[in-house]
This record gives sequence, structure tokens and C-alpha cells, in this order.
Amino acid sequence: SQQGEEDPQALSIQEGENATMNCSYKTSINNLQWYRQNSGRGLVHLILIRSNEREKHSGRLRVTLDTSKKSSSLLITASRAADTASYFCAVAGGTSYGKLTFGQGTILTVHP
Amino acid sequence: DAGVIQSPRHEVTEMGQEVTLRCKPISGHDYLFWYRQTMMRGLELLIYFNNNVPIDDSGMPEDRFSAKMPNASFSTLKIQPSEPRDSAVYFCASRLTNTGELFFGEGSRLTVL
Repeated sequence: SQQGEEDPQALSIQEGENATMNCSYKTSINNLQWYRQNSGRGLVHLILIRSNEREKHSGRLRVTLDTSKKSSSLLITASRAADTASYFCAVAGGTSYGKLTFGQGTILTVHP
Repeated sequence: DAGVIQSPRHEVTEMGQEVTLRCKPISGHDYLFWYRQTMMRGLELLIYFNNNVPIDDSGMPEDRFSAKMPNASFSTLKIQPSEPRDSAVYFCASRLTNTGELFFGEGSRLTVL
């Protein structure tokens, strides 16, 4: 399956700490995307990194991509209680670049 | 823009009944996706459309499920007959380009008793 797999499944940290989530996938990709989902809500796009990029930043978010290892990481710096949510990676690739498949997600809890 | 609009937000029905979920994508977006989310299986892609044409429906569980997009501003996902294992949150999402970001609706939570 092309589906991304996140690690860890759950992460609990204190406000101000950094949170790192990892994603692995199996075949070639066009791009990899990270999404956030608050409880009971739809997913919200955070950042997209293309296969020819190695690192990307957006505010307190930093995403890296290692295509040789077929893995990506999402780093949230100086976390806040409001960052508490589920985070998903999604890959576009394999036989259909238009098809976006999601991993199982990482549940992040940030304690005030 | 109002974003992707889904209805109903919540649906409770009995086994065997027909269920119709509706979606209005963001204006101008050429791609529309239907996903299903459960605790056990996570987010599953059911089907996606490009310019109102179904491109990939390999994720549709079985013949009880059907999806249509009669025009660029409306899509339906129908389950007939519904079963308790269909209970899930169904998301619609749209996007502008073939490989860009997805914009999700708030989902339709379906409970089949």
C-alpha cells in the first residue's frame, strides 16, 4: 500500500516543548502532505513538501523529507495547548499521483 | 469562500435504510474526494472525481455504495441498503490542482443501528 504510516501513535508533551512526528511510506511519491484534525472536525492542510525538496518551514512547523529512506518528519516547535490534535501524513504517488492516501495519524496532547 | 459544505452533519438511521450524503465543493475546484474515517481503519479514500468524472472508485466497499457528481458544485454519496458496519464519519474534500492540498468539509457522522 502507498499509505503513509505515522510514528508514534500518540505523543504527550508539556507546553513549550518540541513535538516530532514521523511518517514512512512505501513507493515513489510526487509529494507528501501533513494535515491536522481537531476532535470532531475536518482535516486542515498544514504543509506540502515535493519529492525534490528536503526541508520546508511554515511558522513553527518544520518538515523534512528523505526520499532515500522513504520517510518524513514533522517538527512543531514551542508547542502550545492549542496544538493538541491528531496529525496525519498523506502521500501522493505510486501509480496515481492524483490519489492522496493517509496514514493512521499521531495523536498529540500538549499539557498546559 | 464558504469552504466545502457537507450535509447532513449527523445522520442516525436503521439498518436497511437508504442514506444520502451531500457535498458542495469549493467553487472552481476541479477535484472532489470522498473519504471514510473510522477508528479501526483510519481515513479511507472511497472515490474521487475530476471535472465531474469518476477517476478512481477502487475504494468503494461494495455495490451498496454509489457516488455521483452531476455538476461541478454538487456530489452525493449514497448507501443502499445501509448496514451497522457503515457507521463512520464521511468526509468530502476538494482541490484545485491534481497534486495540491485538499480542503475538507466538516464531515457527516453516520450511525446505522
